This record gives sequence, C-alpha cells and structure tokens, in this order.
Amino acid sequence: EPEVTQTPSHQVTQMGQEVILRCVPISNHLYFYWYRQILGQKVEFLVSFYNNEISEKSEIFDDQFSVERPDGSNFTLKIRSTKLEDSAMYFCASSEEKLGSGSPLHFGNGTRLTVT
Amino acid sequence: GENVEQHPSTLSVQEGDSAVIKCTYSDSASNYFPWYKQELGKGPQLIIDIRSNVGEKKDQRIAVTLNKTAKHFSLHITETQPEDSAVYFCAAPSIGSGDKLTFGTGTRLAVRP
Repeated sequence: EPEVTQTPSHQVTQMGQEVILRCVPISNHLYFYWYRQILGQKVEFLVSFYNNEISEKSEIFDDQFSVERPDGSNFTLKIRSTKLEDSAMYFCASSEEKLGSGSPLHFGNGTRLTVT
Repeated sequence: GENVEQHPSTLSVQEGDSAVIKCTYSDSASNYFPWYKQELGKGPQLIIDIRSNVGEKKDQRIAVTLNKTAKHFSLHITETQPEDSAVYFCAAPSIGSGDKLTFGTGTRLAVRP
C-alpha cells in the first residue's frame, strides 16, 4: 500500500539554525499538509498546500516557516531560525482530494525535531 | 473554527471487553469524521471514518456512530486485544476555513491481557 515517507526520522539542531524536513507524499495525491505534535499533546495543523501554493496556515506557521514542492515528488518544510519551542514531531500528510470531500488524510511516521 | 473535545483521556479495559471513546465538535457544517490510531513513535493511522450522511459505520471490530443533532461521534472497539493499545484521536474538518483537520486531545487506551 502506498505511504507517505519522511526523512530524517530524527533531527537534532542548535537554536537559531535552519532545518529542512522532507516528505514524499503518495504519488497521486494533490493536497499536502504539515502537522506537528508536541510530546504528549494533540496533533496540530500547520499548513496545507495545493497547486503549488499555500491554501491555509495556522497561527503557528509564522514567518520562520516555509513550505516548498521543489519537484514532482518532494514536499519540504523549512524552519529558518529554530527555537527551543519548535521541538516536536512533525508529520507530513497527503490526500487525493480536498479534505471536505471526505478524502482521507494519510500521515507519514514523522520527523522528531529536537532543538538544543 | 472547529473545536473538538474528546473523552476520556485514558481508558483501561480487560482484553475481550469493549472500549468506547467519545468526541464532540462545534462546527455544524462539518461533514467528515475520521478516527486515527497512533502507536508509539509512529504517525497517526486512519482506522475508520464516517461521513455526515450516515449514522453508523462498521469495519470488523471497529464501529463509529455519529449524532449530527447533538454534534458528537463515538468510536467503539469490541473484543479488544492487546494490540489495540495505542492513542486514539478523533478529528473533524473546519469546513469554513478550508483544508484543516482539527484533532481531539487523544485517548490512551490500554488493553490488559
């Protein structure tokens, strides 16, 4: 069964450094998302992406965050200058159709980001 | 935006018993309600979902019920097994705001052998 893959599984970085988290969504999917989960808490929406542009973003997704689909298969999340509070699991997800149509969201296994 | 509340936060059952997890949502326009299972160190995995035009859906030992009037939906797991132990999240889309899924706070289910 096709799946969303994320790399790396764990990233350790120093405060102030830039990080890029990578994702390969399911190949025929058109909608892409990033969510994050702080340890022991619920999964929170960061951003959705469709047709090469952001369709929605949350308050968390400030100017330090950006997303890109540099080619036909990868979808990346960049954090420009990491802060301690950015430490979390970051999940990439994709769906075939728009969320409201009932098209299920498929998640990757996440990247654990640790900012020291 | 959507607000999703989930109860209980923890649930411990004996193997073979049933488990029920409940969620309420606030956006009456929401029309799709998925349930995710998250095992340690993994991403959320969709286990069942229901659309607003039906009141119940079943898949083997798992069922979901939806009450649109009361704006709540529930996950039912029958004949629980130790491998059902995980954190379960309900979710609902924020229709007005587009492509965002709002998750509940999660239920940690422990099935005692």
